[in-house]
Amino acid sequence: EVQLVESGGGLVKPGGSLRLSCVGSGFSFSNAWMSWVRQAPGKGLEWVARIKSKNDGGTTDYAAPVKGRFTISRDDSKTTLYLQMNSLKTEDTALYYCTTHRDTKYGGYYWGQGSLVTVSS
Amino acid sequence: DIVMTQSPDSLAVSLGERATINCKSSQSVLFSSNKKNYLAWYQQRPGQPPKLLIYWASTRESGVPDRFSGSGSGTDFTLTISSLQAEDVAVYYCQQYYSTPHTFGPGTKVDIK
Repeated sequence: EVQLVESGGGLVKPGGSLRLSCVGSGFSFSNAWMSWVRQAPGKGLEWVARIKSKNDGGTTDYAAPVKGRFTISRDDSKTTLYLQMNSLKTEDTALYYCTTHRDTKYGGYYWGQGSLVTVSS
Repeated sequence: DIVMTQSPDSLAVSLGERATINCKSSQSVLFSSNKKNYLAWYQQRPGQPPKLLIYWASTRESGVPDRFSGSGSGTDFTLTISSLQAEDVAVYYCQQYYSTPHTFGPGTKVDIK
């Protein structure tokens, strides 16, 4: 069974930084393409970033609103995905979900329970 | 970026009746080399993370009741709940994973009439 467990969320002031972590189990983490998706309170789903497996180049892609501020990375030895968030804005307030593809690279997403990030002064 | 739209925004259906949700992409999500549509459907119940229902536009995820079905190709897709049950009250999202950003539709809220 695929399990994704996020941590690292919390309250941070505008302009601050936070790093989210996601530990994966029950699947081949090193081969999986991983993504972060966020959901602002009462709103829909917004894709944030993706990282491919190292075998596929380890390349990263970002949504326009976070490009240049957020960095997605992975440590396959720890089966852990990260999201480093810098220069946080109030509009980054959301529940951040760690996801992996059903078929390693494609297919729909499996989801963690999410980690809440609140950006407020 | 591929823009995903859904209709209706919300619908209320009697128990045991059919619910139909439409999803449209601003460009085709059909990959010509493998003839697969890179389209998924999710169910999100209140306070829960999204749950994968359908992938490749029409393949039901393991454990998902067969009253859920997906259809369509190219740019137009449909999620059908053939006989609505109380536990199906949720928001339903479509998503394309053809190209990044893997955009989602705005969601359709399904309630009991």
